[in-house]
Amino acid sequence: DVVLTQTPLSSPVTLGQAAAISCRSNQALEHTDLNTYLSWLHQRPGQPPRVLIYKVSHRVSGVPARITASGTGTYFTLNIAKVEAEDVGVYYCMHETEVPRTYIFGQGIRLEIK
Amino acid sequence: QEPLVESGGGVVQPGRSLRLSCADSGLFFASYDLHWVRQAPGKGLEWVAFISSDGATKTYADSVRGRFTISRDNSQKTMFLQMDSLKPVDTAIYYCAKDFKVWGAAAGALESWGQGTLVTVSS
Repeated sequence: DVVLTQTPLSSPVTLGQAAAISCRSNQALEHTDLNTYLSWLHQRPGQPPRVLIYKVSHRVSGVPARITASGTGTYFTLNIAKVEAEDVGVYYCMHETEVPRTYIFGQGIRLEIK
Repeated sequence: QEPLVESGGGVVQPGRSLRLSCADSGLFFASYDLHWVRQAPGKGLEWVAFISSDGATKTYADSVRGRFTISRDNSQKTMFLQMDSLKPVDTAIYYCAKDFKVWGAAAGALESWGQGTLVTVSS
């Protein structure tokens, strides 16, 4: 079974500084259609999650350009170039498995401001 | 995309049942695959169940398979989660969400999350 493990590369962070979160899988995530269905979500306190990134690196409409993501195989990262107050909350990576179609979440990483 | 709206949560005793609903005000409900995701108090997200747009395909997390049943009524633009044999570990906020599409193709992400409905299983 796929297991996603998230680690903060930098936490807590100062406003205006960069932050990065990694998501590591215990197996390669590429589907037979050659796509990797790895997404990133952000959940602010008391709010439902919101998708930021789909298929590893594609930003959803409305997500600021300072938020980027990349990765391949079993290692993926979410980068926030200049952290703003609105970025606080928990970040999750999520993977859609191919057959059967199920979904796996990482354990979540809380972004805190110093 | 407008968020979905969950309802039906509450306090229930272990072993009892509860049925959650997820309503959509959008125009294209019948074209979307849908999901239930839950979040135990202070914990992370756990995917629970998936149903295809036509209701023909359903998948479940191992933790709920055999106890929970997902269904939908496209004419009513509503999805349901029938939860039987509830356990204290099922206590969580239950969210419904749509499959995120790009140019009509599924992109392996979830959008339009509702605010959730709280289910508490306790004696």
